[in-house]
Amino acid sequence: QKEVEQNSGPLSVPEGAIASLNCTYSDRGSQSFFWYRQYSGKSPELIMSIYSNGDKEDGRFTAQLNKASQYVSLLIRDSQPSDSATYLCAVTIQGAQKLVFGQGTRLTINP
Amino acid sequence: DGGITQSPKYLFRKEGQNVTLSCEQNLNHDAMYWYRQDPGQGLRLIYYSQIVNDFQKGDIAEGYSVSREKKESFPLTVTSAQKNPTAFYLCASSIPGREGNEQFFGPGTRLTVL
Repeated sequence: QKEVEQNSGPLSVPEGAIASLNCTYSDRGSQSFFWYRQYSGKSPELIMSIYSNGDKEDGRFTAQLNKASQYVSLLIRDSQPSDSATYLCAVTIQGAQKLVFGQGTRLTINP
Repeated sequence: DGGITQSPKYLFRKEGQNVTLSCEQNLNHDAMYWYRQDPGQGLRLIYYSQIVNDFQKGDIAEGYSVSREKKESFPLTVTSAQKNPTAFYLCASSIPGREGNEQFFGPGTRLTVL
């Protein structure tokens, strides 16, 4: 079992709809969870971090964490074509010394 | 203007040559990291360093070497022992223990072995 798993997609969503990205992780001791956005040919950009169960909202982005189910998700409301990118889920392990990344989900927003 | 810089942006290497990738940060971050990304894949950790003059192997350290002589700099050498070095190399930095280890990335170096 991979430490962090994401559906590689591609996930296609119409403009203005809600995009839902999911991530599961295997280390029950993980405490910190991150979502990065990566445009083609560019480096990852941190867009959300979440540390406790529940929802965290930042503009059009909402991160959701459920530690009991070892599941973290990212919702993007009112999706825009500029949201088209690969979204990487990352989870801390080993007392937060290291981040482990999922393989990423490629999201396409269709005008 | 704080940030992380990597150079060069593109690098071409002949088989059997060692090459060194530069990573510099002026964010005053203690920790620095090197990742490798292959097409359609996530990031894999090569080496990381939490303080000057100390570093640890990541998941795929074979064929790579690093040094951390200054807080601002964490160069990565890709040696001839690395069997498949063509990849996108990303350097990151963070403040250990702060905000759960939020890491920030440089622009990356794309290495191609000819």
